[in-house]
Amino acid sequence: SQTIHQWPATLVQPVGSPLSLECTVEGTSNPNLYWYRQAAGRGLQLLFYSVGIGQISSEVPQNLSASRPQDRQFILSSKKLLLSDSGFYLCAWSEGRSNQPQHFGDGTRLSIL
Amino acid sequence: GENVEQHPSTLSVQEGDSAVIKCTYSDSASNYFPWYKQELGKRPQLIIDIRSNVGEKKDQRIAVTLNKTAKHFSLHITETQPEDSAVYFCAARGVDSNYQLIWGAGTKLIIKP
Repeated sequence: SQTIHQWPATLVQPVGSPLSLECTVEGTSNPNLYWYRQAAGRGLQLLFYSVGIGQISSEVPQNLSASRPQDRQFILSSKKLLLSDSGFYLCAWSEGRSNQPQHFGDGTRLSIL
Repeated sequence: GENVEQHPSTLSVQEGDSAVIKCTYSDSASNYFPWYKQELGKRPQLIIDIRSNVGEKKDQRIAVTLNKTAKHFSLHITETQPEDSAVYFCAARGVDSNYQLIWGAGTKLIIKP
């Protein structure tokens, strides 16, 4: 069966510091991968998605970037965090075929001080 | 682009009663509609989904109905239980959104004992 791992679970970072969140998927090949952000009490905002290695689509202009160095690895990065980057970051995967559900990781709660 | 509106934002029902959450979408070419349940501090989890070639789908106490003409779909939960308390998100996938999911803003469902 497929599993998705996301870490760390919680992160507290100062403003201006760098960020690296990692997500890996097991048990499937060539998945679609997604990064979402969720502000407290709000909905899901799609940040990036990837349909293959090295292929990244950005949905929202910001100081974040994403990379997919391996088929089942998705990384969210920032060179300098802003206060507004606080939130709950969720990685998700879906089968590469159309109209398949997305499955979410446990998320990373990021607090910027 | 695709727009998904979800109502109500908060729904309070007596335990044992039914709950209905409605979503409307704008892209008539949308063809996949999942529903997710998110408990406090947890990841969203898929509870049911429907594709545009069917009008209704049931899974025990949960059902989803789709009206393609009116461009709306609804989640029905019968015999509600305390563990149904959560935030529920609808989503739609269509051509206008470059085949990505467009999410509703969420409905907080409260089950009163």
